[in-house]
Amino acid sequence: AQTVTQSQPEMSVQEAETVTLSCTYDTSESDYYLFWYKQPPSRQMILVIRQEAYKQQNATENRFSVNFQKAAKSFSLKISDSQLGDAAMYFCAYRSGEYGNKLVFGAGTILRVKS
Amino acid sequence: NAGVTQTPKFQVLKTGQSMTLQCAQDMNHEYMSWYRQDPGMGLRLIHYSVGAGITDQGEVPNGYNVSRSTTEDFPLRLLSAAPSQTSVYFCASSPRGRFLYEGTEAFFGQGTRLTVV
Repeated sequence: AQTVTQSQPEMSVQEAETVTLSCTYDTSESDYYLFWYKQPPSRQMILVIRQEAYKQQNATENRFSVNFQKAAKSFSLKISDSQLGDAAMYFCAYRSGEYGNKLVFGAGTILRVKS
Repeated sequence: NAGVTQTPKFQVLKTGQSMTLQCAQDMNHEYMSWYRQDPGMGLRLIHYSVGAGITDQGEVPNGYNVSRSTTEDFPLRLLSAAPSQTSVYFCASSPRGRFLYEGTEAFFGQGTRLTVV
């Protein structure tokens, strides 16, 4: 079974600075997808970024980018120019290439942004 | 476009009571699933469905039933509530990919906070 590990329960960053959230996963599959979801206090789950395992290029979405190291099974999220609105719980999630779109989540990292 | 709608948003149950958490999506998605979120454990899959009439168990299915009679609805039933089922429950839906191994985005409802006393 696949597992996802987020080793940082909490992180803090100063507004306008850069922060990196860590995620590692364990799988024997070669086809899979990785996601970062943001959960603000409203509880809504918001997709931040996704990465296909077969793509070598790291995904980017505006201020959000990932460092995907397939051999090391590492998938970190970098947030540049941090804003107060980035404060939230962040979940790393794994989706296998198999049928059904089942997600395996990490425990989450609480990100605090200081003004 | 409402997306994924969960009702109720909050619920308190007594031990042994039963109830149904409702989930409806209006995006014609084939895939639907239920997760529970507990502190320090992230979200864990309870049950999922790949289409009307087809359901299967996830990681933590005990104490829960599901059915999928239509594409739009995927209710989650708690048969006899226990304090261990106190949690936040999320319903999610996603479209089938253009090909079998396409990782499509999951769209989540706003969650139901359930407390069992």
